[in-house]
This record gives sequence, structure tokens and C-alpha cells, in this order.
Amino acid sequence: AQSVTQLDSQVPVFEEAPVELRCNYSSSVSVYLFWYVQYPNQGLQLLLKYLSGSTLVESINGFEAEFNKSQTSFHLRKPSVHISDTAEYFCAVSVYNNTDKLIFGTGTRLQVFP
Amino acid sequence: SAVISQKPSRDICQRGTSLTIQCQVDSQVTMMFWYRQQPGQSLTLIATANQGSEATYESGFVIDKFPISRPNLTFSTLTVSNLSPEDSSIYLCSVGPLNSFTEAFFGQGTRLTVV
Repeated sequence: AQSVTQLDSQVPVFEEAPVELRCNYSSSVSVYLFWYVQYPNQGLQLLLKYLSGSTLVESINGFEAEFNKSQTSFHLRKPSVHISDTAEYFCAVSVYNNTDKLIFGTGTRLQVFP
Repeated sequence: SAVISQKPSRDICQRGTSLTIQCQVDSQVTMMFWYRQQPGQSLTLIATANQGSEATYESGFVIDKFPISRPNLTFSTLTVSNLSPEDSSIYLCSVGPLNSFTEAFFGQGTRLTVV
């Protein structure tokens, strides 16, 4: 069965510092990968996704993630965070040619301090 | 894209009662999904709701506790039965991500507190 591991439950950083949120998945077949963000008291929003093509995907607010098939990873990065980036970040995987089920990681709480 | 309306947004219920959550999508979709997000935890898939057939439940979830209806291609309900404090969670419905769309869309969630 597929699983998603987010090793860091909490990541505290100062504003304008770089950040990396790690995500590893376990699957020997093709997968689709997603990062979702949940701001305080709000619903889930898609941050970015990898379906095919370029292994580096970017979001409109400066985040990027790189699909690394050999390391089965999809780490999320941002070169300079803002206080408004404080949120819970979830990595999720869906297996190609399977159901539409999303398997979520346990989440990483990004806390940005001034 | 898809817009999902979920209600109620929150509720406080007594032990032993039930809560039914409604999920309305603005387009027709084959599959809808129900997730649970327990306090401070990630999302866990409860079941997949297919129109015209019985829902498919994930390990650890049973129909008697979480009956699901899917009367048409735009609507589904999840009932949480015989409530206990351990059922206090956020429940979310979702569509996608691939058969219908290239990403999953989520309702705003229903925050359930059992007292």
C-alpha cells in the first residue's frame, strides 16, 4: 500500500529565511504528487502538483517542489518565506491508473516568525 | 475546477446521536470522497461514494458507523452515527483528482464536536 512520509511535524523559521519541507512516498509504480496547504481555520487548497513532464513544479506564491523518482521524494521549498506562509502543509500521492484516492502525509506545520 | 458546498460548517452534538453532513458539487462527478481529519492530524480517507452503487469503505471504517448516500452525480451525504467524543473531528468531502479533474477539490469541512 502506498504511504507518504513527512518527516518534520513542525518547522519553525524566521521571515525571509529559506525553507524545505520534506516528503517521501513509497510506491514502485507511477504516481501523481501534490502539496496542499491549510491556513488556520480554512479548508485545503492545492499549492502545486506533479502529473508529468518537468520534474520541477512551481506555485504562484514562490513555492517549488521537485519530483525525484530515484529517491521517491517531492520536497517543497521556498527561498524566502513570509509570515503569511504560516500554515499546515500536506503532501499527498495518487497512484496512476488507480482510483482517485489521495493518500496524505501527516502534515508539516510551518511557523514563520518575524 | 469544482466548487463544493458542505454543510453544516460546524456542529456540537450529544453522545449517542447522529450527524448528517451534506456535500453538493457544482458539476457532475463519478466519485466523491469523504475524509476525516482528527485534531492535529492528517486526513484519512473514510470511503469512496460512487453514484448508483454502495460506498467503498477504507480499513477501519464501517457502513453502520458511517452510512453514505449518493443519490445523484452532484450530491452525497455522510452520517456519523452513535456519536462518541472520539468522533470529534473535521469531516471533508472531496472530488477528483484525476478521473474528473487534474487536482482534488475539497469542501470547507464540517467541524464536529461531541459532548
